[in-house]
Amino acid sequence: AQSVSQHNHHVILSEAASLELGCNYSYGGTVNLFWYVQYPGQHLQLLLKYFSGDPLVKGIKGFEAEFIKSKFSFNLRKPSVQWSDTAEYFCAAQTGGFKTIFGAGTRLFVKA
Amino acid sequence: DVKVTQSSRYLVKRTGEKVFLECVQDMDHENMFWYRQDPGLGLRLIYFSYDVKMKEKGDIPEGYSVSREKKERFSLILESASTNQTSMYLCATVVGDYEQYFGPGTRLTVT
Repeated sequence: AQSVSQHNHHVILSEAASLELGCNYSYGGTVNLFWYVQYPGQHLQLLLKYFSGDPLVKGIKGFEAEFIKSKFSFNLRKPSVQWSDTAEYFCAAQTGGFKTIFGAGTRLFVKA
Repeated sequence: DVKVTQSSRYLVKRTGEKVFLECVQDMDHENMFWYRQDPGLGLRLIYFSYDVKMKEKGDIPEGYSVSREKKERFSLILESASTNQTSMYLCATVVGDYEQYFGPGTRLTVT
């Protein structure tokens, strides 16, 4: 069955630290990949997406993600986190039609 | 800007009650989704609809049904609420390149 795995459920960082959140998907065909973010008390919203082309995609607020096909991975990165990045992050994969499979989420807490 | 609204932010119901969760989108989109969000489990798809009166089961449809009589409205129904249906329920619609827009969520507690 298709699935999305996120490596960490909880991450705690100090401000200015670098961030990398792992995401792996299990599907051998063409896949669209997403990272969504949910800030405390807010709607889930799109952070960035990959459909094709350059495997390094940039999103809002300085986030980027790299698609590595050989590793079935789509890791999220940010060079220097801020307190305002405290949120829950979800990796998601879309393999056909509009059905999207979400990972379990990673809760990031950034200490000021 | 896409707007997805859900009828209630918080809801408390008793076991056995019939519960209706409403979702409305304002952009004439065809595809709409209902998810439940639980800690450590992420978002799991309950049902989705790709047009009026058309629906498909998602990954966890048991105990739920849906209704889509008008394009802008997609309702989730809990026929007989149970405590294991206590959760956050999210409605979403799809825009353009498969990006999903989510509503604010309804936190349902079944006692």
